[in-house]
Amino acid sequence: DGGITQSPKYLFRKEGQNVTLSCEQNLNHDAMYWYRQDPGQGLRLIYYSQIVNDFQKGDIAEGYSVSREKKESFPLTVTSAQKNPTAFYLCASSIEGTRDSEEKLFFGSGTQLSVL
Amino acid sequence: KNQVEQSPQSLIILEGKNCTLQCNYTVSPFSNLRWYKQDTGRGPVSLTIMTFSENTKSNGRYTATLDADTKQSSLHITASQLSDSASYICVVVPGYGQNFVFGPGTRLSVLP
Repeated sequence: DGGITQSPKYLFRKEGQNVTLSCEQNLNHDAMYWYRQDPGQGLRLIYYSQIVNDFQKGDIAEGYSVSREKKESFPLTVTSAQKNPTAFYLCASSIEGTRDSEEKLFFGSGTQLSVL
Repeated sequence: KNQVEQSPQSLIILEGKNCTLQCNYTVSPFSNLRWYKQDTGRGPVSLTIMTFSENTKSNGRYTATLDADTKQSSLHITASQLSDSASYICVVVPGYGQNFVFGPGTRLSVLP
């Protein structure tokens, strides 16, 4: 069953704590993305990776970090430097990562992060 | 600044009725426009993709229109079903190598 799997579904963070959101895909896609979704706002790009061992900052990278050691995996760490982390986080992937105009994005089911 | 606006913010209709959602954008350059459906607590799923030269594209009961001159798009849902209850997100792609620009979505509730 191919697709993008995000875990956990719900995550709680204490003040000063780093937390890591998991994203795994078995679609053999080169590119992977992390978006943040807040109520009443459009999705905003945090980080993206077009190929293994390479990633680029998106529009709101401050307070976040990523790694891309394997093609299938693109974990996102929300660090203590992110002062307003409560949001719905979406991972996505696409075939080639060229960000070609015809490229289709496939999304995971998301992780809801809340602050305790 | 590249921006996508959607209206209405939320909409409630009765099952079986039709509805139309609006999207206005100020994105340049323009490559294509997409509509996504997002169920609560889930990731968005693609409905349609329209390039500059396409005016209309259908996907079952969903019909999207695009007027590139006025920079407007609409999503028409025919004979709504309870399963159509979701957020509908308009996305504009500026071009090669540029980030997608997402609208805030319209929240549709279909009541029995």
